Amino acid sequence: DGGITQSPKYLFRKEGQNVTLSCEQNLNHDAMYWYRQDPGQGLRLIYYSQIVNDFQKGDIAEGYSVSREKKESFPLTVTSAQKNPTAFYLCASSGDRGSYEQYFGPGTRLTVT
Amino acid sequence: AQSVAQPEDQVNVAEGNPLTVKCTYSVSGNPYLFWYVQYPNRGLQFLLKYITGDNLVKGSYGFEAEFNKSQTSFHLKKPSALVSDSALYFCAVRVSGYSTLTFGKGTMLLVSP
Repeated sequence: DGGITQSPKYLFRKEGQNVTLSCEQNLNHDAMYWYRQDPGQGLRLIYYSQIVNDFQKGDIAEGYSVSREKKESFPLTVTSAQKNPTAFYLCASSGDRGSYEQYFGPGTRLTVT
Repeated sequence: AQSVAQPEDQVNVAEGNPLTVKCTYSVSGNPYLFWYVQYPNRGLQFLLKYITGDNLVKGSYGFEAEFNKSQTSFHLKKPSALVSDSALYFCAVRVSGYSTLTFGKGTMLLVSP
């Protein structure tokens, strides 16, 4: 899991509540990413950021929000507008200086009831 | 648009036998191709990548993959499977000039003793 930490590992929330997932990296990477993983669907991109104070929507951004105030941190908020928030959430980062690959954190499993 | 197909949901192989996990891709432009492995409730671990050069790429844990431009494939191989190779494997593609990856839906590899 390299130098990327996600907390907590398991998170439980009641429907209608917003929840924020933490992602921190000490790899000095410029780019950071949030993915959602559901069984049989692979990874789907929620948001990504290539530089501080800038981010772009991915394929499934509705019901989610992010911020990138520091290079090391890229928190994801799952809002009450997200219709089916229960999933495994993965954060990743990449250096984009000739390495190209992304490095992943250990993930947060969110359960909303 | 870029896409990745992993045609097999599951691959079963006996320990000691060679294994192949298939991946085909569709992109406009030069592809960068990646393989990742995921163990239960963990993040993704990078195995290997093709950026340019030799079509046969060697990676971690004895895995290798062959880039075939005419067949738009990037199959993952290992000469002799181990029970510990049992995991979920993802193929991903990225196009030169873009920072986001598109993942396949994953293939579960089961190696029996």
